Amino acid sequence: AQSVTQLGSHVSVSEGALVLLRCNYSSSVPPYLFWYVQYPNQGLQLLLKYTSAATLVKGINGFEAEFKKSETSFHLTKPSAHMSDAAEYFCAAASDGSGNTGKLIFGQGTTLQVKP
Amino acid sequence: EPEVTQTPSHQVTQMGQEVILRCVPISNHLYFYWYRQILGQKVEFLVSFYNNEISEKSEIFDDQFSVERPDGSNFTLKIRSTKLEDSAMYFCASSQQGAAGNTIYFGEGSWLTVV
Repeated sequence: AQSVTQLGSHVSVSEGALVLLRCNYSSSVPPYLFWYVQYPNQGLQLLLKYTSAATLVKGINGFEAEFKKSETSFHLTKPSAHMSDAAEYFCAAASDGSGNTGKLIFGQGTTLQVKP
Repeated sequence: EPEVTQTPSHQVTQMGQEVILRCVPISNHLYFYWYRQILGQKVEFLVSFYNNEISEKSEIFDDQFSVERPDGSNFTLKIRSTKLEDSAMYFCASSQQGAAGNTIYFGEGSWLTVV
């Protein structure tokens, strides 16, 4: 069964520092991959998604993610963290398997703390 | 920007009681979903719904759960007899199409606390 693993349940960076949130997927067929962000008291908002068009995907708020098939990874990065980036980030995968379903499999989430 | 809306934002219920969580998906979307997140755990898929019927459900979605689209705008999740372990954040979501790769839009969630 497909699974998504996010390394590090909690990441802390200083304002202006590089943000790197790790995500690995487990699938024999490269899935569609997503990053969602959840700000306090809000729903899940799509940051970006990979659908095989390009391995480097740019999203909202300066975030980007690179799909690496050899590493089964889809890490999320941002060159310079801002205080407003503090939130919980979820990596998710959707498999284009026999059911061709849009069902998402989520990682456990990573809480990003940004220190002034 | 269109959004998925959910009510209530928080509900406390006694064990054994029935609960209905309500959602208004984005108006031109055809596929609807419920996910849940137990505190400290992953967001988990519960059920997907298309053309007035369940298209897929997880092992979690047992006979205690049901979904309905009672009119042209609402999508509901009913838990018939709540248990303590049903305490979670329930997210409603919708998408234009159901195929993998299509963006799924989530609501803000409904916190359910079973006491």
